[in-house]
Amino acid sequence: GDSVTQMEGPVTLSEEAFLTINCTYTATGYPSLFWYVQYPGEGLQLLLKATKADDKGSNKGFEATYRKETTSFHLEKGSVQVSDSAVYFCALSDSYYGNNRLAFGKGNQVVVIP
Amino acid sequence: NAGVTQTPKFRVLKTGQSMTLLCAQDMNHEYMYWYRQDPGMGLRLIHYSVGEGTTAKGEVPDGYNVSRLKKQNFLLGLESAAPSQTSVYFCASSPWRPDYGYTFGSGTRLTVV
Repeated sequence: GDSVTQMEGPVTLSEEAFLTINCTYTATGYPSLFWYVQYPGEGLQLLLKATKADDKGSNKGFEATYRKETTSFHLEKGSVQVSDSAVYFCALSDSYYGNNRLAFGKGNQVVVIP
Repeated sequence: NAGVTQTPKFRVLKTGQSMTLLCAQDMNHEYMYWYRQDPGMGLRLIHYSVGEGTTAKGEVPDGYNVSRLKKQNFLLGLESAAPSQTSVYFCASSPWRPDYGYTFGSGTRLTVV
């Protein structure tokens, strides 16, 4: 079935550092890809999305490019702030099966140190 | 515009008690979902609904029941709570379009003692 794999373990980095969180996927059809962010004590919020190959999603300084050849959707930010500390989830929605259920990755805790 | 509203936000139950979690959305979305989130386990789908009057099982449905009598509401019931159901529960909704993604509620933190 459809699945999403995120890199293992939390990510700790200093303010203004470059952030990359890896996400790869397996899907049967032509999925849409998403990144969600969860701040402490809150629900998940849509951060960005891309709906077809080579599309780039962007929001709040974060970017991710839909790479069909490598089945990847890595999240990047050039200069992180303490306020970016959160859990980040990669997800896909595959219309092949006639529904739009999302498959989520396990999430990555990001801690930004001042 | 409220989006997805979950009530209550916190609850402590004794083992064997029952309760209902309410999810309400005001976006006229067709699909609604209940997830639980546990440390190290990510999000796990409990039940979902593709329209008013319909429900279906997700990955971890045992011990839970759901109902969707109105399009805007999706109820999650625990008939006899167990400590293993201590978790944070999230409701989400989405339109029929697969490229739209989900809108999540802010969660219900449930502790069963």
